[in-house]
Amino acid sequence: QVHLVESGGGVVQPGESLRLSCAASGFTFSGYGMHWVRQAPGKGLEWVAFLRHDGSNENHADSVTGRFTISRDNSKNTLYLQMNSLRVEDTAVYYCARDFHNSGNDYWGQGTLVTVSS
Amino acid sequence: AIQMTQSPSSLSASVGDRVTITCRASQGIRNDLGWYQQKPGKAPKFLIYSTSTLHSEVPSRFSGSGSGTDFTLTISSLQPEDFATYYCLQDYTYPWTFGQGTKVEIK
Repeated sequence: QVHLVESGGGVVQPGESLRLSCAASGFTFSGYGMHWVRQAPGKGLEWVAFLRHDGSNENHADSVTGRFTISRDNSKNTLYLQMNSLRVEDTAVYYCARDFHNSGNDYWGQGTLVTVSS
Repeated sequence: AIQMTQSPSSLSASVGDRVTITCRASQGIRNDLGWYQQKPGKAPKFLIYSTSTLHSEVPSRFSGSGSGTDFTLTISSLQPEDFATYYCLQDYTYPWTFGQGTKVEIK
């Protein structure tokens, strides 16, 4: 079955960097677009970024443009989110999610917590 | 970016009640809207896509309707496992945007 496992979260100071990973299994990873979605503590969901199955045509939320970069390694079945210049407001659980025919996200990981604090 | 406004932000209901949640887009999004259910400490669950199509194994008591800017999620007979927070998501254009959520609580 489809399985998505995020890792790489932790506690960092403002201005620092972090790279999240999402290991995929149970499906042909190279055939699907992938997304990152985040959720600040006690808050709602916020879409963060998308990358097509072949690594082309990435999109980012305005709040992270210029600071976060989504990428993937199809040979390793892994999605990444490089987060630079982190801010306190980036504190959240970060989920990776599979694209469903550009009509939503059908499978989600369990999330990884990123805390940005001085 | 397209703004998605959900209402109400929370509601109290009893088992067996009919529940309706609405989502309004700041501009037309055709029928490119989905609904998600999230329980505390868990990842969201995909319920409905393209306004009204149920994802696999989603119970038929869930339904969606609407088009353009106004959309509705209806639970025809609320079950104990349905107490959760529900989110709409527009996938008409990037950046995708979620509604702020509706928490369905036990009355």
